[in-house]
Amino acid sequence: AQKITQTQPGMFVQEKEAVTLDCTYDTSDQSYGLFWYKQPSSGEMIFLIYQGSYDEQNATEGRYSLNFQKARKSANLVISASQLGDSAMYFCAMREESGYSTLTFGKGTMLLVSP
Amino acid sequence: ETGVTQSPTHLIKTRGQQVTLRCSSQSGHNTVSWYQQALGQGPQFIFQYYREEENGRGNFPPRFSGLQFPNYSSELNVNALELDDSALYLCASSLRGERTNEKLFFGSGTQLSVL
Repeated sequence: AQKITQTQPGMFVQEKEAVTLDCTYDTSDQSYGLFWYKQPSSGEMIFLIYQGSYDEQNATEGRYSLNFQKARKSANLVISASQLGDSAMYFCAMREESGYSTLTFGKGTMLLVSP
Repeated sequence: ETGVTQSPTHLIKTRGQQVTLRCSSQSGHNTVSWYQQALGQGPQFIFQYYREEENGRGNFPPRFSGLQFPNYSSELNVNALELDDSALYLCASSLRGERTNEKLFFGSGTQLSVL
């Protein structure tokens, strides 16, 4: 089974609207971390937000928030007030306690923001 | 910018050749990881170096090897190149700490094309 599943190959949103990018994960570890990265066409992976498995509150970083539902093993990224510069690939990733510092990535979701 | 720099940005090789990719970590970071990102996929973990020793390896053959230097810069070497080695190679640096929340900071990658 895939460890990280992103079911949306592409998403479209209009500028200033909110958008949710889906991510589900699979692990048997009790301690793990979930990350979202943004990859623009330049190729660099840009860290957006982190959620620990023991964190009781959903993580927020500016316009980004993570909707963490542990029982459902989902970690959806919510981008509020989309901007044209948000157009990029978005990757969900997980680090398991048993996995040293390695990140396991999903296949990504391409987000296009239109004026 | 993350402070992680990679060189070269693009490289074209032929099958059977050898290649060396270079990475300069962010100042203060002691761990470097390499990832391979094939077209349309998420990054795949190759290996990680911590204090100049290999500290974890993904499902890649021995012809993928690496080095980490005392100044925490790093090299990825690939011998006997195959067509499937064509990909974006990403270097990520981090500061070893709590296992699950350790954040990786990525460079812009080296795009390798094998003909």
